[in-house]
Amino acid sequence: EAGVAQSPRYKIIEKRQSVAFWCNPISGHATLYWYQQILGQGPKLLIQFQNNGVVDDSQLPKDRFSAERLKGVDSTLKIQPAKLEDSAVYLCASFEQGNYEQYFGPGTRLTVT
Amino acid sequence: GQSLEQPSEVTAVEGAIVQINCTYQTSGFYGLSWYQQHDGGAPTFLSYNALDGLEETGRFSSFLSRSDSYGYLLLQELQMKDSASYFCAVRDRNTGGFKTIFGAGTRLFVKA
Repeated sequence: EAGVAQSPRYKIIEKRQSVAFWCNPISGHATLYWYQQILGQGPKLLIQFQNNGVVDDSQLPKDRFSAERLKGVDSTLKIQPAKLEDSAVYLCASFEQGNYEQYFGPGTRLTVT
Repeated sequence: GQSLEQPSEVTAVEGAIVQINCTYQTSGFYGLSWYQQHDGGAPTFLSYNALDGLEETGRFSSFLSRSDSYGYLLLQELQMKDSASYFCAVRDRNTGGFKTIFGAGTRLFVKA
């Protein structure tokens, strides 16, 4: 089966610009996560979707970050405006009910200059 | 709040055995997972423990003690390709089901 797809793989932007990331989870996986992973740290959950509904966005900086999963399949994460501290890898993961394993995409490495 | 603690770095030689410990504090604990991440790569799932005891999968084993809020990952017959970061992660209850909280990771260096 195809894995989790993410694009772009790399993005370099200047501070105050906007950027968007795309994720297509494994087919049939109702749960989708976006994580931020800063170099040398573990993944930090930004937002969790169950189908097209938000389950947990308690750690999402809502003044600049937004995410949607309109049809319960693919998802986009947007940052506007970006700050230097947003430089990180943004990981998307999907999860199948009744399982324990999260499947991660390759991530998008964002550099804000 | 929720917190996980694991050593930042571990070094071992090829063929040896290494244990990576993890202690956690969480309110709605359901289980403990371990993930491996090579530099530049995505985290990949290694194991999951919901009940006390040892789970073995090939060269890797994982242990959980719920009463001690403690677990470990045991890697045997170390190979150079095992050099990576290893994350313990707590499966915790949230309003919509479950979420996973990751530790900061342990960087394992395997030397020849």
